[in-house]
Amino acid sequence: ETGVTQTPRHLVMGMTNKKSLKCEQHLGHNAMYWYKQSAKKPLELMFVYSLEERVENNSVPSRFSPECPNSSHLFLHLHTLQPEDSALYLCASSQPFGTGARNEQFFGPGTRLTVL
Amino acid sequence: SQQGEEDPQALSIQEGENATMNCSYKTSINNLQWYRQNSGRGLVHLILIRSNEREKHSGRLRVTLDTSKKSSSLLITASRAADTASYFCATDAGWSSGSARQLTFGSGTQLTVLP
Repeated sequence: ETGVTQTPRHLVMGMTNKKSLKCEQHLGHNAMYWYKQSAKKPLELMFVYSLEERVENNSVPSRFSPECPNSSHLFLHLHTLQPEDSALYLCASSQPFGTGARNEQFFGPGTRLTVL
Repeated sequence: SQQGEEDPQALSIQEGENATMNCSYKTSINNLQWYRQNSGRGLVHLILIRSNEREKHSGRLRVTLDTSKKSSSLLITASRAADTASYFCATDAGWSSGSARQLTFGSGTQLTVLP
């Protein structure tokens, strides 16, 4: 794909479950992102990590908890989700600002999450 | 409303025809990007146009940018069935916090190319 992998690709969970989504990038980027994509809606930016520090949290409910242990890995921990959280969760990475590199984002294939 | 609104929401054309998609945005930008998404997959970057550029080409893609009208268009020439996908514009208004670049995406145009 594009050097960004996500696991699992599909996840079905009950509202009381705890699960984690994993993202890994092999591009040497230092910025990583979580997006939520629901049907007929624009991509919603959830979290941004730059150099392993969270720099953006767009009013995301606390039932979503991100973790970035190093610049190559990003997790999204899920607990007590609601059915309306069912969506495609996309991870992306990019070069940070100021490197002179083009700032396009490279996306993983996504995790299709269904909350029952 | 969202920065980066695509128009039309859906477009259906015959193979060989040209497809034009439009994007409007509200604030000043550093650059505007177009992405493609096949059904249920991640987005793939197609082309980036900077705010001081008016037109850019890449293969069968042609992008224009009119900063006075805050609009951009993506033209796909000689379309193929394999071009069937959703196309999104994304605006880069500059870096926000830290050193990560934020993009704001529109809702996308669903393009169907009929064989």
